Amino acid sequence: NAGVTQTPKFQVLKTGQSMTLQCAQDMNHNSMYWYRQDPGMGLRLIYYSASEGTTDKGEVPNGYNVSRLNKREFSLRLESAAPSQTSVYFCASSTGRGYTFGSGTRLTVV
Amino acid sequence: KQEVTQIPAALSVPEGENLVLNCSFTDSAIYNLQWFRQDPGKGLTSLLLIQSSQREQTSGRLNASLDKSSGRSTLYIAASQPGDSATYLCAPEPDAGKSTFGDGTTLTVKP
Repeated sequence: NAGVTQTPKFQVLKTGQSMTLQCAQDMNHNSMYWYRQDPGMGLRLIYYSASEGTTDKGEVPNGYNVSRLNKREFSLRLESAAPSQTSVYFCASSTGRGYTFGSGTRLTVV
Repeated sequence: KQEVTQIPAALSVPEGENLVLNCSFTDSAIYNLQWFRQDPGKGLTSLLLIQSSQREQTSGRLNASLDKSSGRSTLYIAASQPGDSATYLCAPEPDAGKSTFGDGTTLTVKP
């Protein structure tokens, strides 16, 4: 009964390093999403995937890439991390019956 | 493009008051609308989900209503307690396209 699992929970990167945030759901949901949340701000959509094999840009896609590896997994990649990407990243999934969120990844870029 | 507005942005009330949080959205093509709670530094906790065919949902001291045709939802909290202090987010789930969240209402309940 895991729901949405995000890894890692915490990460510190140096400017210019790359990394991939992993997200997996076990609820057979069609849609998956990546959001970022800056301190004191709301959630902003980075990318989403309405179904396996499709991805679309959200509100703030610059500096990120995504892969919908299969129906369960949706990863977010930072190719060259910048301090402006310091944030908390949330993955979510849905299938017409509301969103289920992961617990988040707290990323700091120094 | 869906736009979600939550009013007020912040609210401070004494313990015991009943209060209403408002959410408005521009695109009524939604499956449902969900209310979340977020404590500082924490993740999102789902409070109530109202399917598009429903008018309201209740859970304990919380009651949420949905008027899809007018693009409005309200979250009613009865007999507020200090433990209710948090940020409340509303999220209409679109039947196609991008998801959009409101920026939230930050509630402080004073003892």
